[in-house]
Amino acid sequence: QKEVEQDPGPLSVPEGAIVSLNCTYSNSAFQYFMWYRQYSRKGPELLMYTYSSGNKEDGRFTAQVDKSSKYISLFIRDSQPSDSATYLCAIAKTSYDKVIFGPGTSLSVIP
Amino acid sequence: DGGITQSPKYLFRKEGQNVTLSCEQNLNHDAMYWYRQDPGQGLRLIYYSQIVNDFQKGDIAEGYSVSREKKESFPLTVTSAQKNPTAFYLCASSIKGEEETQYFGPGTRLLVL
Repeated sequence: QKEVEQDPGPLSVPEGAIVSLNCTYSNSAFQYFMWYRQYSRKGPELLMYTYSSGNKEDGRFTAQVDKSSKYISLFIRDSQPSDSATYLCAIAKTSYDKVIFGPGTSLSVIP
Repeated sequence: DGGITQSPKYLFRKEGQNVTLSCEQNLNHDAMYWYRQDPGQGLRLIYYSQIVNDFQKGDIAEGYSVSREKKESFPLTVTSAQKNPTAFYLCASSIKGEEETQYFGPGTRLLVL
């Protein structure tokens, strides 16, 4: 079983839709949960970072962690064409530990 | 502007040739990383370094080598022993002890002729 799994998509939505991106992980020892956004042929950029469980909101983006289900989500409200990118979830056990990345979900927001 | 630079953007390798990818950062970060990205796969860690003159193998170090002679620089050499080098290579850095928040460079795409 892979340590983190993510549906690769592609996911296509109309502009203004609410987008839900998800990952599952296998080990309850993971404490740090990150979402990176990667535009085509560019390096990833850190979008959201959550420690332990709960929600974190930043503008149109909300990151949610459900440790009981080992499930992490990223919600994008009022999606824009500029949100079209690949979204990578990432997890780590401690702040000194190796970060494990999911394969990414490709999102297209259609005007 | 603070950030991470990688060069070249595209690199072509001939059979049996070693090539070196450059990574420089001016963020004053102690930790630096090299990842390989292939379609449909997550980023895979090749090597990482948490301090000058020290580095550790990641999950797929075979066929690669690195050096860390300066805090700002972490070059990656893809040797002829790496039989399937075609990939997108990403360099990242972080504050030591904050590995969960990594900053990435723009990447180098390596192609085999």
